[in-house]
Amino acid sequence: GDSVTQMEGPVTLSEEACLTINCTYTATGYPSLFWYVQYPGEGLQLLLKATKADDKGSNKGFEATYRKETTSFHLEKGSVQVSDSAVYFCALSAYGGATNKLIFGTGTLLAVQP
Amino acid sequence: NAGVTQTPKFQVLKTGQSMTLQCAQDMNHEYMSWYRQDPGMGLRLIHYSVGAGITDQGEVPNGYNVSRSTTEDFPLRLLSAAPSQTSVYFCASSLSYRESAGYTFGSGTRLTVV
Repeated sequence: GDSVTQMEGPVTLSEEACLTINCTYTATGYPSLFWYVQYPGEGLQLLLKATKADDKGSNKGFEATYRKETTSFHLEKGSVQVSDSAVYFCALSAYGGATNKLIFGTGTLLAVQP
Repeated sequence: NAGVTQTPKFQVLKTGQSMTLQCAQDMNHEYMSWYRQDPGMGLRLIHYSVGAGITDQGEVPNGYNVSRSTTEDFPLRLLSAAPSQTSVYFCASSLSYRESAGYTFGSGTRLTVV
């Protein structure tokens, strides 16, 4: 079945360091791909998305490119801030049968130290 | 615009008790769903609905019931609470059940079953 695999955390970085969180997926058909962020004590918020191959999603300095050939959607940021500390979830939306379903990875905790 | 509202935020139940987790959205979204979040397992889909009067099971439906009598509300009922249902529950909605729509999440209900 469809699935998402993302790197385990926690990822601990110093402020202004570069970030990459790896995400790969398995899916039949052509899913849409998402990154969600969860700040402590809150629900998930959509960070960025890409709906077809080679699309690049971007938001708040984060970006990710939909790579069909490597089935990947890695999250990157050039310079992280303490306020970026959160759990990041990679997800795919698989349209099958009558509806779509959002399938999540297990999440990666990012801790940014001043 | 309140988005997705979940109540209560916290709840402690005794084994065997029943309760209803409330979820309401004011965005006229047709698609609503319930997830549970457990450490190391990401988010798993419990039940979902593509419109009023239509519900279906997700990945982990056992022990839970749902109904969708209106577009706005999608309550989740625990019939006889078990310690294995200790989790954080999120309600999510999207404008359309088609695959490219992003989800809006509520802030979650933290449930402990003792």
